[in-house]
Amino acid sequence: DIVMTQTPLSSPVALGQPASISCRSSQSLVHSDGNTYLSWLQQRPGQPPRVLIYKISNRISGVPDRFSGSGAGTDFTLKISRVEAEDVGVYYCMQATLGLTFGGGTKVEIK
Amino acid sequence: EVQLVESGGGLVKPGGSLRLSCAASGFTFSNRWMSWVRQAPGKGLEWVGRIKRNADGGTTDLAAPVKGRFTISRDDSKNTLYLQMNSLKTEDTAVYYCTSEYYGHLDSWGQGTLATVSS
Repeated sequence: DIVMTQTPLSSPVALGQPASISCRSSQSLVHSDGNTYLSWLQQRPGQPPRVLIYKISNRISGVPDRFSGSGAGTDFTLKISRVEAEDVGVYYCMQATLGLTFGGGTKVEIK
Repeated sequence: EVQLVESGGGLVKPGGSLRLSCAASGFTFSNRWMSWVRQAPGKGLEWVGRIKRNADGGTTDLAAPVKGRFTISRDDSKNTLYLQMNSLKTEDTAVYYCTSEYYGHLDSWGQGTLATVSS
């Protein structure tokens, strides 16, 4: 099974400052079809998760452009260029290249 | 508008069974792979399993912790997804989410239904 490891566990950030979350997989996420099925989800308090980014760097329609994804192979990053109050929550990376696995989550909170 | 509405959660004793349902609307249900994801209280997300669309064989994949105890099925005529949970353990206590898969990401989620396993 592919293990997804996220760091940090918690990220206190001042409003307007950037945040960065790292996600590392135990093996390459490049699928035999050439795609890398790595996505990022946001879960606000008391809400179900929602997808923000899919296939490493593609933003879902309606997601603010302050969210961006990057990476390749086994190392991936989610960046928030300027954190806003509505960004508070837990962020998960997820792979769907082999089965489906989530990272442990990173809590973003306002400092 | 895409909607996924789970039902069937509740309190059950260890060793008991529950059947969760997920009613889908707003998209072509029969064309989608569907997954169940659970979240234990205060914990992270855990994939339970998926069922492919019938055009791709309609087969299921289940995560190791639930294999042999849980079954996923679908009724495309009713736009409904099911999760049959047998031999329940206290560690199965969680909110269970119904999700649709679209090209390798989970693009829609229900609000979830809580299953509590306790004596």
